[in-house]
Amino acid sequence: EPEVTQTPSHQVTQMGQEVILRCVPISNHLYFYWYRQILGQKVEFLVSFYNNEISEKSEIFDDQFSVERPDGSNFTLKIRSTKLEDSAMYFCASSGTQDNYGYTFGSGTRLTVV
Amino acid sequence: GQNIDQPTEMTATEGAIVQINCTYQTSGFNGLFWYQQHAGEAPTFLSYNVLDGLEEKGRFSSFLSRSKGYSYLLLKELQMKDSASYLCAVRSFRDTGFQKLVFGTGTRLLVSP
Repeated sequence: EPEVTQTPSHQVTQMGQEVILRCVPISNHLYFYWYRQILGQKVEFLVSFYNNEISEKSEIFDDQFSVERPDGSNFTLKIRSTKLEDSAMYFCASSGTQDNYGYTFGSGTRLTVV
Repeated sequence: GQNIDQPTEMTATEGAIVQINCTYQTSGFNGLFWYQQHAGEAPTFLSYNVLDGLEEKGRFSSFLSRSKGYSYLLLKELQMKDSASYLCAVRSFRDTGFQKLVFGTGTRLLVSP
């Protein structure tokens, strides 16, 4: 079964440093998403991406965040200057169409900011 | 805005049946999803309802009433491995034409022997 792959699985970084979280969505999917989940809290929408541009972003997705699809396979989330409160599990997801009920989630990257 | 409510925690016994409720308020509704999430892992898809009624999938069933903004997930013949969080998520249209999934806080289910 096709998978969404995320790397790294764990990342520890110092406050103020830049981090890039990487995702390889399912190859024929067109819609890509980043979600985050702070420990013990709900899964929160960050951003959706279609046709090489952001289609929607949440209030959480401020100027410190950016997304990119640098080639035909990778989808990245960059946090420019990490804060302690950015510590969370970050999930990438993809779907084939908007009506496709199969949002497939990657296994996540646990980001710890110290 | 969107509001999705579900109980924080439930307990049940192995072999029993449990019903997890979800109520929601949203504009541009286009489907309700249930996901299972084990601690430290990604959400995995369980079920999807876009029309009113019951969808059955093995030991899991999900029901939707759009007029009441209400859904439930029914788990039968509970097994220990069903101990997990169950996430209710609503997909909604935006005026941009794009859709997104919005999750509730999740219900932590503990199955005991």
